[in-house]
Formats: sequence, structure tokens, C-alpha cells
Amino acid sequence: DAGVTQSPTHLIKTRGQHVTLRCSPISGHKSVSWYQQVLGQGPQFIFQYYEKEERGRGNFPDRFSARQFPNYSSELNVNALLLGDSALYLCASGGLGQVSSYEQYFGPGTRLTVT
Amino acid sequence: AQSVTQLDSQVPVFEEAPVELRCNYSSSVSVYLFWYVQYPNQGLQLLLKYLSGSTLVKGINGFEAEFNKSQTSFHLRKPSVHISDTAEYFCAVSERRGGNKLTFGTGTQLKVEL
Repeated sequence: DAGVTQSPTHLIKTRGQHVTLRCSPISGHKSVSWYQQVLGQGPQFIFQYYEKEERGRGNFPDRFSARQFPNYSSELNVNALLLGDSALYLCASGGLGQVSSYEQYFGPGTRLTVT
Repeated sequence: AQSVTQLDSQVPVFEEAPVELRCNYSSSVSVYLFWYVQYPNQGLQLLLKYLSGSTLVKGINGFEAEFNKSQTSFHLRKPSVHISDTAEYFCAVSERRGGNKLTFGTGTQLKVEL
């Protein structure tokens, strides 16, 4: 079975631009979460979506937004990019509501560099 | 709210030696506990988890961890490390109720030397 996939793998943007990152969860998983991992730190929670509804939001500015589609894939959008947005963006999929679903499976990430 | 503390940012160890990576957490509610490993330029891979039951949890690649509720710790151990274990290790917690949002520690870089 395919794992969590993310696209693109790398991208470079300029300050002030907008970026869209994409994630496809493992087949059968209905929950997608997004994390930001700045170099040298642990991942920080950004959003969680389940059945197309936002179920959680971390301490990130409104420039960050996300959505989940009927096929459970997800997009993370970041507007007005800042240098500090440079990071590895990780997507994780899992179920919700069952003990076993508390496992989350991470994709390889998208490395965003803002210049 | 929860927090996770990984006191050791780097742990050097010789191949075939034992290793312990320390993790302490703070939470006002019951939590699940996890250890993830991250190899260079890759995502996170789940090593092991504690959900309930036995406090000694065995994971992949010969790793194990012990949940100690009184000390709010979840230290990761391996009796004999290999060069291929060189990676970043993250301890994480999530609330038992309220979804599966993970709160991570800052990570411990395990460097295995010959």
C-alpha cells in the first residue's frame, strides 16, 4: 500500500508570494494533519482535518490555511510568505476516534525555502 | 496543554553499546506517548507507542521504552546500537481525548560511532 504522499518535495519562493502544498493520505485514512518543522526543532502542529472539517488549529497566523477534499486529500496554503516560513512541512494521516487510530503516519515532507 | 522535554540534544555512543534517550512530559490530562525517528531528509517514522497496558513497550529495530507515570517519563532504550541507528529521535504526546494532535519534543540527535 502507498504511504502518505506529498508534493512538491522541494520548492523555493520569494518573500510575499503564496504557496500551496499538497498531501494524499493513506487509503482509508480520513484524518490529515499538518506540521511545520523548522531546522533543528521538533514539528509544530498547524492544522488537523477530519471528514473535511477542521478539528484543530495550532498557534499559527491567519496567513496559514488548509482544506480537505472529498477524497480526503488536503492542501496547505500559506500567503504573504516570510523568511521564517522556511521549513519542512509534514503531512500525517490517521483515523480518528479509535485507539489504534492514534497512530499517525507521516509523509516525506515538502521542503520550503523562502528567499 | 502538554509539553515534552528531551534533555539531551545530542547523544554520542559507540557501536554495540547501550543507549538511553530521555523524555519527560507534562500534561493536565491523560496522554498517549510516542517515539518517532527521522533520518536525514526524510519524514518521521513511528518507533513505538504507549496507549495502555504494560508500561514496557517494544518497538521496531530493537528499541523499547518504559512509561513511568509517577516520574512522567517515557525513556527510549536500545541494548546495542548500530551505525544505522544514527538519526534524530523525537518524543511526542497526544491527549487521550480530543483528537490525535501530537506535541513533540525538540529532538535528540543520536550519533553512533565506530
